[in-house]
Amino acid sequence: QITLKESGPTLVRPTQTLTLTCTFSGFSLSTSGVGVGWIRQPPGKALEWLAVIYWDNDKRYRPSQQGRLTVTKDTSKNQVVLTMTNMDPVDTATYYCAHSGGSYNLGALDMWGHGTKVIVSS
Amino acid sequence: IQMTQSPSSLSASVGDRVTITCRASQTISVYLNWYQQKPGRAPNLLIYAVSSLQSGVPSRFSGSRSETDFTLTISSLQPEDFATYYCQQNYNFPWTFGQGTKVEI
Repeated sequence: QITLKESGPTLVRPTQTLTLTCTFSGFSLSTSGVGVGWIRQPPGKALEWLAVIYWDNDKRYRPSQQGRLTVTKDTSKNQVVLTMTNMDPVDTATYYCAHSGGSYNLGALDMWGHGTKVIVSS
Repeated sequence: IQMTQSPSSLSASVGDRVTITCRASQTISVYLNWYQQKPGRAPNLLIYAVSSLQSGVPSRFSGSRSETDFTLTISSLQPEDFATYYCQQNYNFPWTFGQGTKVEI
């Protein structure tokens, strides 16, 4: 059974760096084809994909956020960490991590964490 | 790649047949997924690769494709189906979602 859980601060000051951790179980991020993605959702708005990291350490980022985002993995701890620099109030959102299933479902995001709400305010 | 969903919202009754459309701005092959999201909850994968039903999803949900137009159909709307639905392409980076379709009573 695959589970994911996001953790991190609820309140971040403008210009600070946000660090979110996704702790997962039920799969290994060293298995070929597997990835973990990050998606956010501002209040009342649509989903927005941010980044994904794969089993082979391939990383992809949302171009409009390029330079602000870094995603890393710790396979031994079953964790993926997302950092986002220079936070702004427009970054207020619920942040989700999700399992990307690999070739059997063409990489769809088939299991999601519950999400963590991040508020950016002074 | 832009994903344009329509309608943005709709009102329907239990038992109705509901259709939601998503148009891609360029070819995305079969890399189209549908998610359901209920208020305060994380999205849930319904359909992947245009028409493959995710495990545990009721068979009243189905998906289809015509070129760059994709459709999610709920054959007989149930009370638990009132939610917001999103399409998503994972053919090219950056992955993109549609704006969502809210299905209301």
